[in-house]
Amino acid sequence: DAGVTQSPTHLIKTRGQQVTLRCSPKSGHDTVSWYQQALGQGPQFIFQYYEEEERQRGNFPDRFSGHQFPNYSSELNVNALLLGDSALYLCASSLAGGGRITGELFFGEGSRLTVL
Amino acid sequence: GENVGLHLPTLSVQEGDNSIINCAYSNSASDYFIWYKQESGKGPQFIIDIRSNMDKRQGQRVTVLLNKTVKHLSLQIAATQPGDSAVYFCAENTWDTDKLIFGTGTRLQVFP
Repeated sequence: DAGVTQSPTHLIKTRGQQVTLRCSPKSGHDTVSWYQQALGQGPQFIFQYYEEEERQRGNFPDRFSGHQFPNYSSELNVNALLLGDSALYLCASSLAGGGRITGELFFGEGSRLTVL
Repeated sequence: GENVGLHLPTLSVQEGDNSIINCAYSNSASDYFIWYKQESGKGPQFIIDIRSNMDKRQGQRVTVLLNKTVKHLSLQIAATQPGDSAVYFCAENTWDTDKLIFGTGTRLQVFP
């Protein structure tokens, strides 16, 4: 049973570019959350997707957008990249079914984005 | 691999000793708390959780204590092993949100 998978694992972009990160949730999970983890800090919530809609959002600008597909996989898009967007982007999946999260929030290994 | 927590508080313990990692949470309305372990190059891994109607919860070699009066959470690891070396995060959640708010983390180093 595959866990949460993310791609790419590492990527380098320049300021102003756009990036798309991908996530496949753990089998059987229907909810995907995205977190940004800057070096030396804890993860920060970006947003959560359930039933192909953004259900909740953290304090991130509109440059950060996402999508969830019918198979529950998800993408995170960041436009007009800034140096400060350099971070580890983590995807987490759960079986929330519209309810609140439980401890069964499984994280992927993350996508390390470096903006030059 | 990933260098997680280059400037985090560090707890150094000898193999076999007990470890206690502390966390102060921010929101008095939080009613659900989770401890995560993050090894270098990996995503956070669930360790144990506790709800606000409890003061203590035990797992395998781990115990979480919750003091709501002072908004304090601790993780106790019994008989610490080299494989326990990692960065540990506490996270809090409130009933009306799906997001987790993570603390800054503590690096645990286990030496022989």
